[in-house]
Amino acid sequence: GENVEQHPSTLSVQEGDSAVIKCTYSDSASNYFPWYKQELGKRPQLIIDIRSNVGEKKDQRIAVTLNKTAKHFSLHITETQPEDSAVYFCAASWSYIPTFGRGTSLIVHP
Amino acid sequence: GAGVSQSPSNKVTEKGKDVELRCDPISGHTALYWYRQSLGQGLEFLIYFQGNSAPDKSGLPSDRFSAERTGGSVSTLTIQRTQQEDSAVYLCASARDGTNSPLHFGNGTRLTVT
Repeated sequence: GENVEQHPSTLSVQEGDSAVIKCTYSDSASNYFPWYKQELGKRPQLIIDIRSNVGEKKDQRIAVTLNKTAKHFSLHITETQPEDSAVYFCAASWSYIPTFGRGTSLIVHP
Repeated sequence: GAGVSQSPSNKVTEKGKDVELRCDPISGHTALYWYRQSLGQGLEFLIYFQGNSAPDKSGLPSDRFSAERTGGSVSTLTIQRTQQEDSAVYLCASARDGTNSPLHFGNGTRLTVT
């Protein structure tokens, strides 16, 4: 089955800095890569996703890049703000059942 | 519109007891998922329902776990003879269909087995 590795497990940045979270996946058939944000005590919510026919997607301060050859994808957050503090999960899917990474706890210091 | 609703929000049970967790998906969503989230861990897939098809039970950790989805809507996850290692947050999610649509999660049920 699919295996998703996510790094780092914890990321601490100063407000205004950029943050990058990286994920690798094992199954070359995977074709859908969503990212979810989970604030403390709340439900995970989709923030951005990318499909395998696209190499990069951007939405305001967040962007995701996909390298299918290397089987890795990354989340980039620019100009971080304290409200970006949360746990971020990447996922990979080919069979309509997303396999999630273990999450990255992002802490943005004001 | 209403999101995914789960109940109860918290459940404390004694080891060996059975528990039932309920999920009410977004109306019209044909895909329904159960995941388990343990402290500091990712989201562990348990079971997937899509329309009237047979569910994908490949993620259920033991035969003490079962789930059903009645009428293509509400789902119940049952854990029999609970063990302490079952303590976790159980998250339900629904999606528009089974074509890699975004998942909409409920708030989860926090299960504590004492």
